[in-house]
Amino acid sequence: DAGVIQSPRHEVTEMGQEVTLRCKPISGHDYLFWYRQTMMRGLELLIYFNNNVPIDDSGMPEDRFSAKMPNASFSTLKIQPSEPRDSAVYFCASSLRENTEAFFGQGTRLTVV
Amino acid sequence: GEDVEQSLFLSVREGDSSVINCTYTDSSSTYLYWYKQEPGAGLQLLTYIFSNMDMKQDQRLTVLLNKKDKHLSLRIADTQTGDSAIYFCAETPMFSGGYNKLIFGAGTRLAVHP
Repeated sequence: DAGVIQSPRHEVTEMGQEVTLRCKPISGHDYLFWYRQTMMRGLELLIYFNNNVPIDDSGMPEDRFSAKMPNASFSTLKIQPSEPRDSAVYFCASSLRENTEAFFGQGTRLTVV
Repeated sequence: GEDVEQSLFLSVREGDSSVINCTYTDSSSTYLYWYKQEPGAGLQLLTYIFSNMDMKQDQRLTVLLNKKDKHLSLRIADTQTGDSAIYFCAETPMFSGGYNKLIFGAGTRLAVHP
């Protein structure tokens, strides 16, 4: 397996534009997580899914953020409209079961100008 | 509440031992983890310890858990330049709705110099 695959690796967009980040978890993993990493706030869990169902979205900053998992092999994190303070590295991770190792993707570095 | 704290920087000489410390607040945490992040990369699990253990050793890595003080440490023996990275402590607190949520510390940047 190629691991957790995220795209794009880098995204630069203008304030107000819609941004969509994509993630393909490791095949067979039941859990998928979206994290955001910034210098100021460190790593924050935004949302996680179990068997494609959102379980905890309490970390999603505001209504501008939405995440979907239409099937077991794909998830998106959308920001609409984007703002400069959304600039961060966004990580997707997946794990086989609860309390097992979470495997992280390479991250998407988002810059909103 | 859930909170994980780490010191931000550690500098060691190559060949010495490194000790990275972490404190956490949620005594219900079942697992505690150490992740490593190299520049431009995602996080990689280094090791983990179950909450009913005091110590776990894995080659050059030793994890010590003091559950009473809620203190976790990672010792790297014979530190090499390739160990330079950011090390994250993380816990999985028990709470309703599932317990697979990793709470990360801010990360400790380890710099290894010759």
